[in-house]
Amino acid sequence: QSVLTQPPSVSAAPGQKVTISCSGSSSNIGNNYVSWFQQLPRTAPKLLMYDNNKRPSGIPGRFSGSKSGTSATLSITGLQTGDEADYYCGTWDSSLSAWVFGGGTKVTVL
Amino acid sequence: QVQLVQSGVEVKKPGASVKVSCKASGYTFTSYSLSWVRQAPGQGLEWMGWISGYSGHTMYPQKFQGRVTMTTHTSTSTAYLEVRSLTSDDTAVYYCARGQTVNPYDGFDMWGQGTMLTVSS
Repeated sequence: QSVLTQPPSVSAAPGQKVTISCSGSSSNIGNNYVSWFQQLPRTAPKLLMYDNNKRPSGIPGRFSGSKSGTSATLSITGLQTGDEADYYCGTWDSSLSAWVFGGGTKVTVL
Repeated sequence: QVQLVQSGVEVKKPGASVKVSCKASGYTFTSYSLSWVRQAPGQGLEWMGWISGYSGHTMYPQKFQGRVTMTTHTSTSTAYLEVRSLTSDDTAVYYCARGQTVNPYDGFDMWGQGTMLTVSS
């Protein structure tokens, strides 16, 4: 059972928008920055978003992040077939003194 | 460019130990930290702990305390993960990930390619 809660899957047609939620508590999301990672099939995870809403160099503007209270959201607009992947949220948990992750969300492009 | 290159596939018997390496290049090793994260087959990501590239100070979650040791060799910019008393539950891909800063809570901006460990009798 993951500390952070994500939906197992989301899907949409090419060009559409998907949003992935990540729910936590005051000990993790509520008081720490959230990161998002993209894991393409059979590859290592890759940083997609950090500090809630900052994109590393090379990540397109189609990806955006936000946080409100103890929840965070990743949005992908203009969905492309190359976006099919597993997406994980993660953050520091101050009570556990550990990094925690969501269970991952599989994005399918219909 | 920043790169983390890990050692190859491992197959171990239950009760054995394994040591995985992660060689960093393209940046000053002592200016960043490293975490180890594992992923069991078909499962999500699990943080195993953190080590400072500068001081060698470590931090492990309770689950892995006493069974996992992280070390660094600064002269070769290499980090190591040792896991002891292996069971089939340790079968997973093990990743090293560079910390964005020297602190354990600041997330990871670069990942190694992963090392597959299979524990089987």
